[in-house]
Amino acid sequence: AQSVTQLDSHVSVSEGTPVLLRCNYSSSYSPSLFWYVQHPNKGLQLLLKYTSAATLVKGINGFEAEFKKSETSFHLTKPSAHMSDAAEYFCVVSDRTSGTYKYIFGTGTRLKVLA
Amino acid sequence: ETGVTQSPTHLIKTRGQQVTLRCSSQSGHNTVSWYQQALGQGPQFIFQYYREEENGRGNFPPRFSGLQFPNYSSELNVNALELDDSALYLCASSGRGGDNEQFFGPGTRLTVL
Repeated sequence: AQSVTQLDSHVSVSEGTPVLLRCNYSSSYSPSLFWYVQHPNKGLQLLLKYTSAATLVKGINGFEAEFKKSETSFHLTKPSAHMSDAAEYFCVVSDRTSGTYKYIFGTGTRLKVLA
Repeated sequence: ETGVTQSPTHLIKTRGQQVTLRCSSQSGHNTVSWYQQALGQGPQFIFQYYREEENGRGNFPPRFSGLQFPNYSSELNVNALELDDSALYLCASSGRGGDNEQFFGPGTRLTVL
């Protein structure tokens, strides 16, 4: 079965410092992986996706993630945090078992950015 | 291009009542998925519709049911509401295929008293 584990429920960083949000996955086949962001009272917005092309994926707003098969990881990074990055972040694996293309979400990481 | 829309935005019901939530998919998308997001949790897959038929279901009881219409819009119906049904309900539309991004609507916040 497909699953993702977000290793930190809360992360706090100072504005201008790097961001690292950690995600490990479990998959019985080559996975499709995504990172979504959810701002308060807003819907989910795609940051980036990995679909078996380049292992280093660049997304919107300066975020990127690296797919590491040997470590079964897909960590999200950003070189310099901005106040507007404060939000909930979800790591997602696409499960295509039995022809249903559903998303399996992690439990989320709340990012706090300190001034 | 119009994005995914959901109605209503907020809803308050009492235990035992029934509720219908609506979703309009993005233009060109034929697949709609519904998710339940309880407070402080990640979204959980309820079910998916593809070309008007249910195409997979998560671990939700039969009182959660749905429809998809010829224009690919969709409804989520919940009967015999329970307090634990209080959550944000998200609709997502996509093209067919696991590599396709799912585009999410803003959600409907359901409160069951």
